Amino acid sequence: AQSVTQLDSHVSVSEGTPVLLRCNYSSSYSPSLFWYVQHPNKGLQLLLKYTSAATLVKGINGFEAEFKKSETSFHLTKPSAHMSDAAEYFCVVSWAAGNKLTFGGGTRVLVKP
Amino acid sequence: DGGITQSPKYLFRKEGQNVTLSCEQNLNHDAMYWYRQDPGQGLRLIYYSQIVNDFQKGDIAEGYSVSREKKESFPLTVTSAQKNPTAFYLCASSTDRDLNQPQHFGDGTRLSIL
Repeated sequence: AQSVTQLDSHVSVSEGTPVLLRCNYSSSYSPSLFWYVQHPNKGLQLLLKYTSAATLVKGINGFEAEFKKSETSFHLTKPSAHMSDAAEYFCVVSWAAGNKLTFGGGTRVLVKP
Repeated sequence: DGGITQSPKYLFRKEGQNVTLSCEQNLNHDAMYWYRQDPGQGLRLIYYSQIVNDFQKGDIAEGYSVSREKKESFPLTVTSAQKNPTAFYLCASSTDRDLNQPQHFGDGTRLSIL
């Protein structure tokens, strides 16, 4: 069975400091992995995706994620948080043999001035 | 600009009433999806459609119905059989029927019980 675990339900950072959002997955197949961001009362916006090319994936707004197969992880990072990064972030897994996405429970990011 | 339009933004349902949520896309995408989001939880798939005139149940289809008569439109009906309909509903679409391409999301409809 496929599952996604976001290890932190809430993360609080100060503006200008690094952000780390952790995601682990379990899958019997080679997965495609995505990070999405959701601002309040809005839909989800794609930040980046991994589909078996480079293991370090760069996304929009300065975010990047590293795929580590040995650790079954796909952590999201940003070197310097901005106030506009305050939102909820979802790690999402898909796999070639499947027919639907699996969403993590989400990580809510608070950015302090 | 191309995108997904969901309407209404807020919707209230009375006991025993069916309500329909609209989802329209002008991205020329084949696949469309409906998700339910409850506070503090990830998204759960209600129904999806990979082609016109065809759709499949997701993980939580009970109490919901859909139709896909046009490529651009995928309305969701929340029936009176859905006993806990209060949630944020998100519609999405993608180019790839195999779900390996990213999905594009609308801005959601928030449904509440009167």
